Amino acid sequence: DAGVIQSPRHEVTEMGQEVTLRCKPISGHNSLFWYRQTMMRGLELLIYFNNNVPIDDSGMPEDRFSAKMPNASFSTLKIQPSEPRDSAVYFCASSLDWSNYGYTFGSGTRLTVV
Amino acid sequence: GENVEQHPSTLSVQEGDSAVIKCTYSDSASNYFPWYKQELGKGPQLIIDIRSNVGEKKDQRIAVTLNKTAKHFSLHITETQPEDSAVYFCAAPSGGSYIPTFGRGTSLIVHP
Repeated sequence: DAGVIQSPRHEVTEMGQEVTLRCKPISGHNSLFWYRQTMMRGLELLIYFNNNVPIDDSGMPEDRFSAKMPNASFSTLKIQPSEPRDSAVYFCASSLDWSNYGYTFGSGTRLTVV
Repeated sequence: GENVEQHPSTLSVQEGDSAVIKCTYSDSASNYFPWYKQELGKGPQLIIDIRSNVGEKKDQRIAVTLNKTAKHFSLHITETQPEDSAVYFCAAPSGGSYIPTFGRGTSLIVHP
């Protein structure tokens, strides 16, 4: 298995632009998580899905952020409009189940909003 | 609030020494405790985990111990090597949720 695949690896965009981050989880994993990592706040859970259904999006910072999982093999995190404070590394992770199992993380997308 | 505390934030050791990182948690219902290693430019990688029905688990040079009464668990790395240098994160459920909260991380530096 190729692991969790994220794209793009790096994204530089101007403030106000729309940004879409993509994730392909490990086949057979039922849960998918989106995290944001910054020096100030560490690893923050933004949203997670179980069997393609969003379960908890309380970590999504604002309405500018949205996430979808149209099928078991694909998820997107969208920021519209983007702001400089959104600059961070965004990780997608998948797991067999949403509790009691370890996560497999992707390599992340480093987002820079200028 | 943050209910998973990790110490120390940085740890510097000489090659061959042991390293210990400790995490405390507040939710007594927690029953799964993973540790992740994050190398520069990569995502966190699960290196070892423990469930609440055991007190210790080993995998070659790494081990995790769990004290449910005191609500803390520790990562032990013996015979450290330069390639062990990374940021290590613990995780535990908090606030009544089954979803783990990550500690703030420990930057381990192993000097050759």
